[in-house]
Amino acid sequence: EAEVAQSPRYKITEKSQAVAFWCDPISGHATLYWYRQILGQGPELLVQFQDESVVDDSQLPKDRFSAERLKGVDSTLKIQPAELGDSAMYLCASSTRAGVQETQYFGPGTRLLVL
Amino acid sequence: AQSVTQLDSQVPVFEEAPVELRCNYSSSVSVYLFWYVQYPNQGLQLLLKYLSGSTLVKGINGFEAEFNKSQTSFHLRKPSVHISDTAEYFCAVSGDSGYALNFGKGTSLLVTP
Repeated sequence: EAEVAQSPRYKITEKSQAVAFWCDPISGHATLYWYRQILGQGPELLVQFQDESVVDDSQLPKDRFSAERLKGVDSTLKIQPAELGDSAMYLCASSTRAGVQETQYFGPGTRLLVL
Repeated sequence: AQSVTQLDSQVPVFEEAPVELRCNYSSSVSVYLFWYVQYPNQGLQLLLKYLSGSTLVKGINGFEAEFNKSQTSFHLRKPSVHISDTAEYFCAVSGDSGYALNFGKGTSLLVTP
């Protein structure tokens, strides 16, 4: 069964350092989402891509976060500089296309700890 | 923006007992609702979804949920739980645009022998 891949699974960094997370969606999925899940909370959308275009990045802290999906396949989420409050699980999800009928499939996540 | 509220942060239950996890949504003309499960250190897995039609929705692992428009609720139920059902459960609603999901804060289900 096809799965969404994410790496690394765990990342420890010091504040003010740069970190990057990678996501490889299920093959053929045009829509890709990055969510952030703070401990004890539900996931919150950071950015949504349709192919290589950003559909929604209204909740992305653009002063320090950036996301790209250059060829409309895999995606990278970057934080520079990292802050203590960025400690969280970063989840990637993909779907065939955008739409309520389309199931979002989630990867295992990258757990970030900022010291 | 559309939102959901999960009324219980933790639900302890004994194995083979029934369970109900409560979720209320903000009223809207059209609403699309989901339940996801998250096992420790894993991503989220879709249990079931309500888009339209029958208000009783059946999902995987023996779970079901009922869409109640008058009470703006979408409670998740299982008649007999197993130890393996211990996990975090999230109710979610499809957002107003782009179809990203707005999640509740989650309910931790703990099943004990």
